[in-house]
Amino acid sequence: GQQVMQIPQYQHVQEGEDFTTYCNSSTTLSNIQWYKQRPGGHPVFLIQLVKSGEVKKQKRLTFQFGEAKKNSSLHITATQTTDVGTYFCAEANTGNQFYFGTGTSLTVIP
Amino acid sequence: NAGVMQNPRHLVRRRGQEARLRCSPMKGHSHVYWYRQLPEEGLKFMVYLQKENIIDESGMPKERFSAEFPKEGPSILRIQQVVRGDSAAYFCASSIGPGDQPQHFGDGTRLSIL
Repeated sequence: GQQVMQIPQYQHVQEGEDFTTYCNSSTTLSNIQWYKQRPGGHPVFLIQLVKSGEVKKQKRLTFQFGEAKKNSSLHITATQTTDVGTYFCAEANTGNQFYFGTGTSLTVIP
Repeated sequence: NAGVMQNPRHLVRRRGQEARLRCSPMKGHSHVYWYRQLPEEGLKFMVYLQKENIIDESGMPKERFSAEFPKEGPSILRIQQVVRGDSAAYFCASSIGPGDQPQHFGDGTRLSIL
């Protein structure tokens, strides 16, 4: 089946450092969504990217969609302890299934 | 607006028993998805339903697992004759439309099999 890979699987950063997670697919993505799951919590929708090369910002978070629509990234500037959690990308298409990436678990060391 | 409601939050069953997990979607949402998540792992798609219809159940084991979303009432994920390997968190999500719409997740049901 289709699979969306994320790297890295785990990331430990000092508070204040930047963090980036990458999402890669072997096929062209129709669009991509990003979710955050806090430890013990449920996934929460962050954003959706649709256009090739699209860049969207939410405060310290910057989301990019690759020109070829095969990859995406989430960058967090100056991490805070509230950023702790697992970040998932997900391919949302007009079909029936919803493919979540493998996730990147972020730990922020105060 | 109430969010996606799942119950129970925690469910303990002995091997061989049945587990019923319930999910009420957000108001106005008619699309429901069920996912399974093991500790330290991602979300694995199980089934996608609309009211009274199963649209895609390709991620659900063919034996012991079933799902429904009746005209009235919550969506139900049913696991018969549970085994230890069924222990996991089961999340339900709803959306206002198919495919490319954002999904809103419930708090999940943590199923433990003794």
